[in-house]
Amino acid sequence: DGGITQSPKYLFRKEGQNVTLSCEQNLNHDAMYWYRQDPGQGLRLIYYSQIVNDFQKGDIAEGYSVSREKKESFPLTVTSAQKNPTAFYLCASSKVGGETQYFGPGTRLLVL
Amino acid sequence: KQEVTQIPAALSVPEGENLVLNCSFTDSAIYNLQWFRQDPGKGLTSLLLIQSSQREQTSGRLNASLDKSSGRSTLYIAASQPGDSATYLCAVPFGNEKLTFGTGTRLTIIP
Repeated sequence: DGGITQSPKYLFRKEGQNVTLSCEQNLNHDAMYWYRQDPGQGLRLIYYSQIVNDFQKGDIAEGYSVSREKKESFPLTVTSAQKNPTAFYLCASSKVGGETQYFGPGTRLLVL
Repeated sequence: KQEVTQIPAALSVPEGENLVLNCSFTDSAIYNLQWFRQDPGKGLTSLLLIQSSQREQTSGRLNASLDKSSGRSTLYIAASQPGDSATYLCAVPFGNEKLTFGTGTRLTIIP
């Protein structure tokens, strides 16, 4: 069954802590994306990757980091430098950039 | 910079009615436009993708139109059902890689 998965569903972060959100796809897609969704603000792009071992900053990359060591995986780390991390995080993939994007179920990050 | 607007932010419609959702964008040099559906607390589901060379795209009770010259797209839902209740978002490419999303219209179908 092809698809895109995210884990965990809920994540709690303590002050000063780095946390990593997982995103895996078995669609054989080259491009992967991370978005942040806040109420009333729509989706904002954090990072994207068009190919393994390469990624670009989106509109709100500060306080976040990513890696793309495997085609299937695109983990997002929320660092302690991100002062307002509470949000719903969505991962997506597409065959190539600009084509239909397929989304995972999301991870809700909360600060303790 | 591309800006995408969806008005109204929320819409309530009695079951069985036909309805239209609106999406407008500022830069008409797009090569496609996508409509997505999002249920509360869930990810996005792609509904329709219209290429710039097309004027309409249909899937079941859904019909999306695109008018690049006026910077508008509409999503028409026929014979609405309670299961259609969700937030609907449109998105256009920005450059070759990224999507710019509207803030969505939250649709409620009243049984």
